[in-house]
This record gives sequence, structure tokens and C-alpha cells, in this order.
Amino acid sequence: EDQVTQSPEALRLQEGESSSLNCSYTVSGLRGLFWYRQDPGKGPEFLFTLYSAGEEKEKERLKATLTKKESFLHITAPKPEDSATYLCAVHASSGNKLVFGAGTILRVKS
Amino acid sequence: NAGVTQTPKFQVLKTGQSMTLQCAQDMNHEYMSWYRQDPGMGLRLIHYSVGAGITDQGEVPNGYNVSRSTTEDFPLRLLSAAPSQTSVYFCASSRDKVKPQHFGDGTRLSIL
Repeated sequence: EDQVTQSPEALRLQEGESSSLNCSYTVSGLRGLFWYRQDPGKGPEFLFTLYSAGEEKEKERLKATLTKKESFLHITAPKPEDSATYLCAVHASSGNKLVFGAGTILRVKS
Repeated sequence: NAGVTQTPKFQVLKTGQSMTLQCAQDMNHEYMSWYRQDPGMGLRLIHYSVGAGITDQGEVPNGYNVSRSTTEDFPLRLLSAAPSQTSVYFCASSRDKVKPQHFGDGTRLSIL
């Protein structure tokens, strides 16, 4: 069974304090790993897609990386507006669907 | 661009009532899906469609029906509402099943 586990469940950072979020996955053949950002009361917003181990994507203060077992979302010098829930999802080659992790709630204080 | 539009945004039902959650997209996407989001459990797939006239079950389909008569619309029907169906429901669409999905802003449903 395809599984996605995100850690930590919640993370509190001071503005400017860099850190990483983890997404561990078990799938029968990875077709893609997706990172989304979700603000309170809103739907998830797409951030990145990673397709193969070693791939990296960057956007402003965010950088996503991928290995054969996990993905990291690195946040460099975060700002309060980076506060949100970050979701990881995988698409396995065996199915027609995304499997989501439970998310990491990030709070950045000024 | 409207993207993915869900209505209503909020709804309160009594146990046993039925209702339809509406979802429409204006991006000509073939793939559409319905998820429910519960605290601590992430998004779980209810039903999905790879094109007009084609639907299939996801992880938690019991108690829900879907149909896809047009590319744009993908309504979700609750047949007989139960308190366990209290949740936030999200509709999403994408060009195909492996492309990034675009989400609506959700319907917050409470079953009393």
C-alpha cells in the first residue's frame, strides 16, 4: 500500500531561522512527488513537482529535493507570510490517484 | 480565470438528508477528483474521473456518488448524510492524472 508520512506535525520558527520539512514515502514505483501549500480556509496551492531522485526545484525561499525514499522542503530565512500547512503527495505508477501526507503546520514568528 | 469553483462554501445538514456539492472548472481539464480533509488525516480521495462519462472510486467512496456528464462539471452527491461525513470537501482538476492538481477552496459540511 502506498504511504506518505510527513514530519514534524508542527514547526515553529523565528523569522530568518532556516529549517526543513520531511516527507517519507513508500510507493510501488514513483511517477511524481508533489508539494502543496495550504492557507487556512483555502484549498491547497501547488508548489513543486519532483519526478526522479536527485532532482531539485526552487521558488523564492523554498527548495524541494528528492531521494528514493524521501523529499525535503527546505525553507531559507523564512518570513511570517510563509506560515501555512505544507502538504506532500505522491503519485504511484500503479494507480490513478495522489496519496497525501497529513501535512506539516509551519508558524513563523517575527 | 475562475479555476475550480465549489458551491456551497458552507452547509449544515441533518442526519439522513441528501445533498449535492457542486464543482466546476474552466480550464478544460480531463482529470477531476473529490477529496475530504479531516484533522490529522490529510486529504483522502473519494471519487475521481479521467474524462467525461468515466468515473472511479477512490479510497473512501462509501456514502457518495458522482457523475461526469460534461468536462466542466463534477458534482458529488451525499445519498443519506451521516455525522461521520462531517468534513471539508475539496474538488480538484488537472490536465491528466500525473499533472499538478488545481484545488477549489472547499465546502465545509456539518452533519448534525
